[in-house]
Amino acid sequence: SQKIEQNSEALNIQEGKTATLTCNYTNYSPAYLQWYRQDPGRGPVFLLLIRENEKEKRKERLKVTFDTTLKQSLFHITASQPADSATYLCAWGNDMRFGAGTRLTVKP
Amino acid sequence: KAGVTQTPRYLIKTRGQQVTLSCSPISGHRSVSWYQQTPGQGLQFLFEYFSETQRNKGNFPGRFSGRQFSNSRSEMNVSTLELGDSALYLCASSLDRGLGGANVLTFGAGSRLTVL
Repeated sequence: SQKIEQNSEALNIQEGKTATLTCNYTNYSPAYLQWYRQDPGRGPVFLLLIRENEKEKRKERLKVTFDTTLKQSLFHITASQPADSATYLCAWGNDMRFGAGTRLTVKP
Repeated sequence: KAGVTQTPRYLIKTRGQQVTLSCSPISGHRSVSWYQQTPGQGLQFLFEYFSETQRNKGNFPGRFSGRQFSNSRSEMNVSTLELGDSALYLCASSLDRGLGGANVLTFGAGSRLTVL
């Protein structure tokens, strides 16, 4: 069956480092993937979208890649800050299914 | 412009009761999707409505239903509430994506339902 997974439930990093989050998919070839940020008690907020024919997308300190060979999307936050601490979700499909999310904590 | 508005923000019900949640999408957005979020299951897709028609449906029992009005506002209803229905219910709206287009969602703040 189609499956998409985020490989870490939680990720702790030091301020200033680069955070890398992973979204893997099996038995499925998404035309695009999206990344969202969710803060506690709030709805997710759209960050970036990458299409299958795009290798990389950037927005300020955020970068997302899409590797159709590895069946994987990587989401990077460079020069991370404590304010980046949140849960990050990948999403796919016309009916917008979400992965379980990775809870990122950036320590000062 | 105004964001996605969900009401009520918090509510408490008892088992067996039914509940109706409301969602007003961003002006001009014709697609409304509903999600259930719990700590154990994450964000689970309930259904999507477009032009008053259910376009997609997740894997939830028939106790969960929804509808969309001509002004794109949407409601979802849960009947015969169970303890496991306690969750944050999120509504999201988007522009019509078109064939093969991406469906970028704007979420509301959610309605937190507690079933006792």
